[in-house]
Amino acid sequence: QQPVQSPQAVILREGEDAVINCSSSKALYSVHWYRQKHGEAPVFLMILLKGGEQKGHEKISASFNEKKQQSSLYLTASQLSYSGTYFCGTERNTGNQFYFGTGTSLTVIP
Amino acid sequence: DAGITQSPRYKITETGRQVTLMCHQTWSHSYMFWYRQDLGHGLRLIYYSAAADITDKGEVPDGYVVSRSKTENFPLTLESATRSQTSVYFCASNPGSYNEQFFGPGTRLTVL
Repeated sequence: QQPVQSPQAVILREGEDAVINCSSSKALYSVHWYRQKHGEAPVFLMILLKGGEQKGHEKISASFNEKKQQSSLYLTASQLSYSGTYFCGTERNTGNQFYFGTGTSLTVIP
Repeated sequence: DAGITQSPRYKITETGRQVTLMCHQTWSHSYMFWYRQDLGHGLRLIYYSAAADITDKGEVPDGYVVSRSKTENFPLTLESATRSQTSVYFCASNPGSYNEQFFGPGTRLTVL
């Protein structure tokens, strides 16, 4: 039931780019992205509501391919503060049944 | 203070005991959620609530009971705690579908 994220873990040097993918076997109505720092609660990054929608948040952006039931998160020119675990989250119907993905651990090193 | 709070922040209990985790939000959000987070499984939905007196099961509801008599409170009860329920529990809320979820700080529960 959980969306599957890839890669499971990635290590970057400052300034490098990364892509995190989120795939679901079920139809998606929306895709959320969250970042969680160690020992803290998840923090919302963005939500995509329509197939084909793309959004940006500083140097972090995302896309949503409704037909393929996939979303991707793009991190450009990574900073140390980007380190954490990234989760996608999906709503499959209007009843608010919500599923988080398996998570991607991202570490940015100097 | 406005926001979403959880109590206690840390709890150690023994197998078979009843434990209640509290969640309180001040935004009057309609929806509230309980998740558990375990290594290797990410965040999994236990129960959610669309409004006072309306609750529904999530992905992993077995062994848990919820109630929501007031919009702002959503307690989670483990009626007879088991070691497998050792986890970090997060409460969240949002005003409705297709909205950001706001998370509480979490409760770290250890069942001995």
